[in-house]
Amino acid sequence: DAEITQSPRHKITETGRQVTLACHQTWNHNNMFWYRQDLGHGLRLIHYSYGVQDTNKGEVSDGYSVSRSNTEDLPLTLESAASSQTSVYFCASSESLESYEQYFGPGTRLTVT
Amino acid sequence: DQQVKQNSPSLSVQEGRISILNCDYTNSMFDYFLWYKKYPAEGPTFLISISSIKDKNEDGRFTVFLNKSAKHLSLHIVPSQPGDSAVYFCAASAWGGSEKLVFGKGTKLTVNP
Repeated sequence: DAEITQSPRHKITETGRQVTLACHQTWNHNNMFWYRQDLGHGLRLIHYSYGVQDTNKGEVSDGYSVSRSNTEDLPLTLESAASSQTSVYFCASSESLESYEQYFGPGTRLTVT
Repeated sequence: DQQVKQNSPSLSVQEGRISILNCDYTNSMFDYFLWYKKYPAEGPTFLISISSIKDKNEDGRFTVFLNKSAKHLSLHIVPSQPGDSAVYFCAASAWGGSEKLVFGKGTKLTVNP
């Protein structure tokens, strides 16, 4: 069955370190998204991509970057982790530019100490 | 400025009764609305959606109502079951908004046996 996976599921890192969260989908979806979920804020969009080599900034992109070298993967990199980036991160994908329904991964809980 | 608002952080109902979750939006360009359900330690899952050309959409026990003039939508769950206990997110997208979703902060529903 097609799916979307995230790794690691849990990560503890230190302030200032570079961290990369992986997202892999097997639906062959063109669109991929990264969100963070924080108490009192719901889900906020970090970065998104509509296809290979395409990346765009979302609402809370400062301190994060993404790259899209193939259809299946959209890794999220925290260049220099900060305590404010402690959060739960969700990756999602959707089929096409006319599809609003997004499929979410199980999430990565990141703690920056 | 929060474009999608879920003003009730929590809701508690008895099993078998109706659950009504509310959502308000401010952006008149939103034309597609979705509800997602999220269990602890899992990613959000799509529940039901509605286009702005409709005022009602049903799927089994779940019905979403849209009042465009009031910029308000609601999710009705009838009858409510203990397994419905989860956090429900309202999301909206604008035509030409590149399929980005704007999420509310969520409402935690508890269905008591």
